[in-house]
Amino acid sequence: DAKTTQPPSMDCAEGRAANLPCNHSTISGNEYVYWYRQIHSQGPQYIIHGLKNNETNEMASLIITEDRKSSTLILPHATLRDTAVYYCIVRGGNAGNMLTFGGGTRLMVKP
Amino acid sequence: DSGVTQTPKHLITATGQRVTLRCSPRSGDLSVYWYQQSLDQGLQFLIQYYNGEERAKGNILERFSAQQFPDLHSELNLSSLELGDSALYFCASSVAVAQGAGNSPLHFGNGTRLTVT
Repeated sequence: DAKTTQPPSMDCAEGRAANLPCNHSTISGNEYVYWYRQIHSQGPQYIIHGLKNNETNEMASLIITEDRKSSTLILPHATLRDTAVYYCIVRGGNAGNMLTFGGGTRLMVKP
Repeated sequence: DSGVTQTPKHLITATGQRVTLRCSPRSGDLSVYWYQQSLDQGLQFLIQYYNGEERAKGNILERFSAQQFPDLHSELNLSSLELGDSALYFCASSVAVAQGAGNSPLHFGNGTRLTVT
């Protein structure tokens, strides 16, 4: 699976949009971009995933560049409860498709 | 609530002992994954089962073993425990493991915190 690069930490003001970047320049054509977050030692929580197109759900939006070498997770109105470590993961489309977690981005939402 | 249930939530035991961690996947999910998270290692993939059969192995120690039962619940057995085995152990499940299964998210339980003294 392709490796990802994320900033180790970011701050965001409460109520503002949080934009979390991720680079995955070696991504292959059948690999998906997944985002998870982990809040204080709880189990990782699935947020969103995509292959080529931008995706949106009730939690967030995922913007994938046209060349697929990078993506951005957008939390439109961050709250204090969004403070967590966010993981960007590239995952293969076929068998043996576990998630490989890197260091992630520690997002701190401040009042 | 992810729908994945792990028991027990906390476990304290002594070095050299053996413990069993249990995971019930989400209804309808056939694939189960086990992960270990210690302070200095991050989330590490251990092993994956699909419909009762082992499908992938990560950095799982020989002292550790797992199985998935016909009702699809899974158990992770840790033996000859050492202080360094103290960690959070997470189970995750997904619908499928096959071509195209990369489109099926994993859903994680809230883990078992193991403390070895």
